[in-house]
Amino acid sequence: EAGVVQSPRYKIIEKKQPVAFWCNPISGHNTLYWYRQNLGQGPELLIRYENEEAVDDSQLPKDRFSAERLKGVDSTLKIQPAELGDSAVYLCASSSPAGFEQYFGPGTRLTVT
Amino acid sequence: RKEVEQDPGPFNVPEGATVAFNCTYSNSASQSFFWYRQDCRKEPKLLMSVYSSGNEDGRFTAQLNRASQYISLLIRDSKLSDSATYLCVVSGGDMRFGAGTRLTVKP
Repeated sequence: EAGVVQSPRYKIIEKKQPVAFWCNPISGHNTLYWYRQNLGQGPELLIRYENEEAVDDSQLPKDRFSAERLKGVDSTLKIQPAELGDSAVYLCASSSPAGFEQYFGPGTRLTVT
Repeated sequence: RKEVEQDPGPFNVPEGATVAFNCTYSNSASQSFFWYRQDCRKEPKLLMSVYSSGNEDGRFTAQLNRASQYISLLIRDSKLSDSATYLCVVSGGDMRFGAGTRLTVKP
């Protein structure tokens, strides 16, 4: 069974540029999460989707971050414009309706210069 | 105060040693507890859930003390392959991760 797929794996951009990350969850997983992980820290939840509905986006910096999950499968996280402090690993995870375990993708390592 | 706090580490231990990690959480309404393992530059993966009565999985033992809002992970007979960062995770709806404790097991 394929795991959570994320792309790109690495991204280097200049500040003030836009950037987008893509996530394809495990088939059948209706819950999708976006996390940000800074160096030496644990993952921090940005947004959680139940199917296509964002049920918790309280930690998402809405002035520059946006996310969507059209059709309740793939999801895209966007930053516009990026700031130096956005440099981090952006992790996508998914879980099934019956389970609690979250399966993480490999992440996108973003460097803003 | 952070919602989930862990031993800062790092822990450097010889092979075969027993090592224990501690974690405290602030949300008394938390219902589910986990330990995740994260290898360097890799994604977190579930190591084990933590149950109220305590649970064991091979060399790993997890304990939960709800009254003290405290979770522990004990690793016995540590192996080189146990070297990783161990993340304490608490859920009262959404999962909250600790900053992790880094373990290095040396020959």
